[in-house]
Amino acid sequence: DGGITQSPKYLFRKEGQNVTLSCEQNLNHDAMYWYRQDPGQGLRLIYYSQIVNDFQKGDIAEGYSVSREKKESFPLTVTSAQKNPTAFYLCASSMRGVGETQYFGPGTRLLVL
Amino acid sequence: SQQGEEDPQALSIQEGENATMNCSYKTSINNLQWYRQNSGRGLVHLILIRSNEREKHSGRLRVTLDTSKKSSSLLITASRAADTASYFCATRGSARQLTFGSGTQLTVLP
Repeated sequence: DGGITQSPKYLFRKEGQNVTLSCEQNLNHDAMYWYRQDPGQGLRLIYYSQIVNDFQKGDIAEGYSVSREKKESFPLTVTSAQKNPTAFYLCASSMRGVGETQYFGPGTRLLVL
Repeated sequence: SQQGEEDPQALSIQEGENATMNCSYKTSINNLQWYRQNSGRGLVHLILIRSNEREKHSGRLRVTLDTSKKSSSLLITASRAADTASYFCATRGSARQLTFGSGTQLTVLP
Protein backbone atom coordinates (compact mmCIF):
# COMPACT_ATOMS: atom_id res chain seq x y z
CA ASP A 1 0.00 0.00 0.00
CA GLY A 2 1.87 3.06 -1.26
CA GLY A 3 1.66 6.51 0.21
CA ILE A 4 2.92 8.95 2.77
CA THR A 5 2.55 8.39 6.47
CA GLN A 6 2.91 10.92 9.23
CA SER A 7 3.11 10.24 12.91
CA PRO A 8 1.89 10.95 15.43
CA LYS A 9 -1.57 12.25 14.52
CA TYR A 10 -1.56 14.52 17.58
CA LEU A 11 1.49 15.80 19.44
CA PHE A 12 1.74 17.85 22.59
CA ARG A 13 4.72 20.05 23.35
CA LYS A 14 5.74 21.53 26.66
CA GLU A 15 7.54 24.86 27.01
CA GLY A 16 11.21 24.62 26.05
CA GLN A 17 10.83 21.19 24.51
CA ASN A 18 11.94 20.04 21.07
CA VAL A 19 9.59 17.65 19.31
CA THR A 20 10.06 15.65 16.12
CA LEU A 21 7.37 14.88 13.56
CA SER A 22 7.84 11.83 11.41
CA CYS A 23 7.22 11.62 7.65
CA GLU A 24 7.81 8.47 5.61
CA GLN A 25 7.00 7.75 1.96
CA ASN A 26 7.25 4.58 -0.12
CA LEU A 27 6.45 6.23 -3.44
CA ASN A 28 10.13 6.40 -4.45
CA HIS A 29 9.80 10.18 -4.74
CA ASP A 30 12.92 12.31 -4.78
CA ALA A 31 11.46 15.52 -3.37
CA MET A 32 9.83 15.97 0.04
CA TYR A 33 8.30 18.99 1.76
CA TRP A 34 7.04 20.26 5.09
CA TYR A 35 4.19 22.76 5.32
CA ARG A 36 2.52 24.51 8.19
CA GLN A 37 -1.22 25.28 8.10
CA ASP A 38 -2.91 27.63 10.58
CA PRO A 39 -6.72 27.64 11.02
CA GLY A 40 -8.52 28.99 7.97
CA GLN A 41 -5.26 29.57 6.16
CA GLY A 42 -3.36 28.13 3.25
CA LEU A 43 -0.12 26.21 3.45
CA ARG A 44 3.24 27.82 4.13
CA LEU A 45 6.46 26.05 3.18
CA ILE A 46 8.87 25.32 6.03
CA TYR A 47 11.59 23.21 4.38
CA TYR A 48 11.98 21.09 1.29
CA SER A 49 14.47 18.53 0.04
CA GLN A 50 15.12 17.52 -3.55
CA ILE A 51 17.61 14.74 -2.86
CA VAL A 52 19.10 12.84 0.04
CA ASN A 53 21.46 14.85 2.28
CA ASP A 54 20.26 18.13 0.82
CA PHE A 55 17.48 20.47 1.95
CA GLN A 56 16.47 24.10 1.52
CA LYS A 57 14.68 26.62 3.72
CA GLY A 58 11.19 27.64 2.78
CA ASP A 59 9.33 30.79 3.73
CA ILE A 60 9.07 30.11 7.47
CA ALA A 61 12.09 27.96 8.45
CA GLU A 62 12.97 29.80 11.67
CA GLY A 63 12.51 27.58 14.73
CA TYR A 64 12.44 24.37 12.67
CA SER A 65 15.08 21.88 11.53
CA VAL A 66 15.05 18.87 9.20
CA SER A 67 17.25 16.03 8.03
CA ARG A 68 17.19 13.84 4.91
CA GLU A 69 19.42 10.86 5.57
CA LYS A 70 17.23 8.44 3.63
CA LYS A 71 15.13 8.93 0.52
CA GLU A 72 12.04 7.62 2.31
CA SER A 73 12.24 9.79 5.41
CA PHE A 74 12.11 13.54 6.09
CA PRO A 75 11.60 14.23 9.82
CA LEU A 76 10.83 17.74 11.06
CA THR A 77 11.96 18.98 14.46
CA VAL A 78 10.08 21.86 16.03
CA THR A 79 12.59 23.49 18.35
CA SER A 80 12.03 25.57 21.46
CA ALA A 81 12.96 28.60 19.35
CA GLN A 82 9.60 28.31 17.56
CA LYS A 83 7.45 30.44 19.84
CA ASN A 84 4.10 29.75 18.22
CA PRO A 85 4.21 26.10 17.16
CA THR A 86 0.51 25.29 17.47
CA ALA A 87 -0.58 24.35 13.93
CA PHE A 88 -1.36 21.52 11.55
CA TYR A 89 1.79 20.17 9.90
CA LEU A 90 1.65 18.52 6.50
CA CYS A 91 4.34 16.51 4.76
CA ALA A 92 4.31 15.99 1.00
CA SER A 93 6.41 14.42 -1.70
CA SER A 94 6.70 14.69 -5.46
CA MET A 95 8.21 12.56 -8.17
CA ARG A 96 10.45 14.79 -10.18
CA GLY A 97 11.06 17.83 -8.09
CA VAL A 98 9.68 21.03 -6.76
CA GLY A 99 6.71 22.48 -8.62
CA GLU A 100 5.23 19.19 -9.73
CA THR A 101 2.18 17.37 -8.38
CA GLN A 102 2.54 16.79 -4.66
CA TYR A 103 1.18 13.91 -2.61
CA PHE A 104 0.30 14.69 0.97
CA GLY A 105 0.32 12.78 4.22
CA PRO A 106 -2.61 12.92 6.67
CA GLY A 107 -0.97 15.58 8.85
CA THR A 108 0.12 16.01 12.46
CA ARG A 109 -1.63 18.45 14.77
CA LEU A 110 0.81 20.00 17.24
CA LEU A 111 -0.54 21.55 20.42
CA VAL A 112 1.31 23.38 23.17
CA LEU A 113 0.61 22.47 26.79
CA SER B 1 3.97 35.50 0.76
CA GLN B 2 0.93 33.92 -0.84
CA GLN B 3 0.88 33.93 -4.61
CA GLY B 4 -2.62 32.64 -5.21
CA GLU B 5 -5.76 34.06 -3.67
CA GLU B 6 -9.05 32.21 -3.94
CA ASP B 7 -12.43 33.81 -4.28
CA PRO B 8 -14.89 33.45 -2.67
CA GLN B 9 -13.53 32.51 0.75
CA ALA B 10 -16.67 30.46 1.39
CA LEU B 11 -19.37 29.09 -0.90
CA SER B 12 -22.57 27.29 0.01
CA ILE B 13 -24.72 25.59 -2.65
CA GLN B 14 -27.40 22.95 -3.01
CA GLU B 15 -26.61 19.44 -4.17
CA GLY B 16 -26.82 19.21 -7.96
CA GLU B 17 -25.79 22.83 -8.54
CA ASN B 18 -22.47 23.85 -10.08
CA ALA B 19 -19.73 25.41 -7.94
CA THR B 20 -17.22 27.89 -9.32
CA MET B 21 -14.11 29.01 -7.48
CA ASN B 22 -11.57 31.52 -8.71
CA CYS B 23 -7.87 31.97 -8.12
CA SER B 24 -5.81 35.05 -8.87
CA TYR B 25 -2.04 35.25 -8.76
CA LYS B 26 0.59 37.93 -9.10
CA THR B 27 3.63 36.73 -11.02
CA SER B 28 4.19 34.55 -14.08
CA ILE B 29 3.75 30.84 -13.58
CA ASN B 30 4.86 27.54 -15.04
CA ASN B 31 1.77 25.68 -13.91
CA LEU B 32 -1.24 26.05 -11.63
CA GLN B 33 -2.68 23.21 -9.58
CA TRP B 34 -5.89 22.70 -7.64
CA TYR B 35 -6.04 20.65 -4.44
CA ARG B 36 -8.84 19.58 -2.17
CA GLN B 37 -8.70 19.20 1.61
CA ASN B 38 -11.32 17.54 3.75
CA SER B 39 -11.50 18.88 7.30
CA GLY B 40 -8.46 17.85 9.35
CA ARG B 41 -6.92 15.81 6.54
CA GLY B 42 -4.11 16.10 4.04
CA LEU B 43 -4.50 17.67 0.61
CA VAL B 44 -5.42 15.68 -2.47
CA HIS B 45 -4.27 16.77 -5.92
CA LEU B 46 -7.16 17.37 -8.34
CA ILE B 47 -5.77 18.80 -11.55
CA LEU B 48 -2.71 20.56 -13.01
CA ILE B 49 -2.88 23.06 -15.86
CA ARG B 50 0.27 24.34 -17.55
CA SER B 51 0.83 27.95 -18.57
CA ASN B 52 0.38 27.12 -22.27
CA GLU B 53 -3.02 25.46 -21.68
CA ARG B 54 -6.33 27.31 -21.46
CA GLU B 55 -8.73 24.63 -20.29
CA LYS B 56 -8.60 21.17 -18.82
CA HIS B 57 -11.23 18.64 -17.79
CA SER B 58 -11.21 15.75 -15.35
CA GLY B 59 -14.53 14.05 -14.63
CA ARG B 60 -16.84 16.68 -13.13
CA LEU B 61 -13.99 19.18 -12.86
CA ARG B 62 -13.24 21.90 -15.39
CA VAL B 63 -10.28 24.24 -14.93
CA THR B 64 -9.56 27.31 -16.99
CA LEU B 65 -6.44 29.47 -17.02
CA ASP B 66 -6.13 33.02 -18.30
CA THR B 67 -2.48 34.03 -18.07
CA SER B 68 -3.21 37.54 -19.36
CA LYS B 69 -5.49 38.13 -16.37
CA LYS B 70 -3.38 35.96 -14.04
CA SER B 71 -6.44 34.01 -13.00
CA SER B 72 -7.85 30.51 -12.97
CA SER B 73 -11.24 29.04 -12.21
CA LEU B 74 -12.32 25.63 -10.97
CA LEU B 75 -15.82 24.47 -11.89
CA ILE B 76 -17.37 21.46 -10.18
CA THR B 77 -20.50 20.36 -12.01
CA ALA B 78 -23.48 18.55 -10.49
CA SER B 79 -22.08 18.92 -6.99
CA ARG B 80 -22.58 16.29 -4.30
CA ALA B 81 -22.54 16.49 -0.52
CA ALA B 82 -19.24 14.58 -0.64
CA ASP B 83 -17.68 17.55 -2.50
CA THR B 84 -17.83 19.55 0.74
CA ALA B 85 -14.21 20.50 1.43
CA SER B 86 -11.67 23.31 1.14
CA TYR B 87 -10.20 23.89 -2.29
CA PHE B 88 -6.77 25.44 -2.81
CA CYS B 89 -4.97 26.69 -5.86
CA ALA B 90 -1.19 26.42 -5.95
CA THR B 91 1.11 28.09 -8.41
CA ARG B 92 4.57 27.13 -9.57
CA GLY B 93 6.66 30.08 -10.67
CA SER B 94 10.30 30.71 -11.41
CA ALA B 95 11.21 29.82 -7.84
CA ARG B 96 9.98 26.31 -8.67
CA GLN B 97 8.24 25.90 -5.33
CA LEU B 98 4.49 25.59 -5.06
CA THR B 99 2.80 28.56 -3.40
CA PHE B 100 -0.68 27.92 -2.00
CA GLY B 101 -3.58 30.30 -1.68
CA SER B 102 -5.78 30.59 1.39
CA GLY B 103 -8.54 28.40 -0.01
CA THR B 104 -12.28 28.37 -0.68
CA GLN B 105 -14.47 26.49 1.78
CA LEU B 106 -17.22 24.77 -0.23
CA THR B 107 -20.32 23.45 1.51
CA VAL B 108 -22.76 21.37 -0.53
CA LEU B 109 -26.11 21.04 1.17
CA PRO B 110 -28.10 17.82 0.64
